[in-house]
Amino acid sequence: SQTIHQWPATLVQPVGSPLSLECTVEGTSNPNLYWYRQAAGRGLQLLFYSVGIGQISSEVPQNLSASRPQDRQFILSSKKLLLSDSGFYLCAWSLGGPYNEQFFGPGTRLTVL
Amino acid sequence: GQSLEQPSEVTAVEGAIVQINCTYQTSGFYGLSWYQQHDGGAPTFLSYNALDGLEETGRFSSFLSRSDSYGYLLLQELQMKDSASYFCAVRDSSYKLIFGSGTRLLVRP
Repeated sequence: SQTIHQWPATLVQPVGSPLSLECTVEGTSNPNLYWYRQAAGRGLQLLFYSVGIGQISSEVPQNLSASRPQDRQFILSSKKLLLSDSGFYLCAWSLGGPYNEQFFGPGTRLTVL
Repeated sequence: GQSLEQPSEVTAVEGAIVQINCTYQTSGFYGLSWYQQHDGGAPTFLSYNALDGLEETGRFSSFLSRSDSYGYLLLQELQMKDSASYFCAVRDSSYKLIFGSGTRLLVRP
C-alpha cells in the first residue's frame, strides 16, 4: 500500500531564517507530487506540482521553491522566511495522469515569528 | 479566472440530511471531487463525478450538472463525526486540482 510522509509535524522559525520541508511517498512509482499551503480556516492554495524528477511547476510567485531530487521525494524550501509564510503545508501525491484523487500527507504546521 | 464557490458554513442536527453546494468556473473541466478535512488533519478524498448525475457511496452522495457548472455533496444520517470542513475541487485542463474555499459543517446533537 502507498504511504506519504512529511516532516517535521510542527515548526517555529524566526523571520529571515531558511526552511526545508520534506515529503516522501512509498509504494508507488512516478507519482505526481504537490505542495499546498492552507491558512487558518481557509482553502488549499497550490504552490508547486511535479510530474517527474526535476520537473517543477510553480503556481504563485513567492519566496518559496521546490525540488524533486528523487522520484518519490519532494522538498519545499525558502532562503528567508516571511511572516506571511506561516500556515499549514500539505504534500500530496496522485497517480500519473489526469486523476482526481489526491492523497495528502499529515502536514507541517509552520509558524514564523 | 478560475473560481469555485461554496457556502462558508452549514449547521445541521444529528440524524438529518445536509446538502453542500458548489458552483465552478474554470478554464477546463475533468471532473468534480469532494474532500473532507477534520480540524488539524489532512484532507481525505470522498467522491468524484466526471459525468452528470448522482454518485452514491454509503451515507454520502455527490451530484454533478456540467451544463450548470454545479455540483453538491449530500450527507445523510448525519453523525457528530461528520463535523468537518468539506472542499469541492475541479481538475482543470492540466494536472492541477482547483479547490474551493471550503464549507465548515457543524453537526449539533
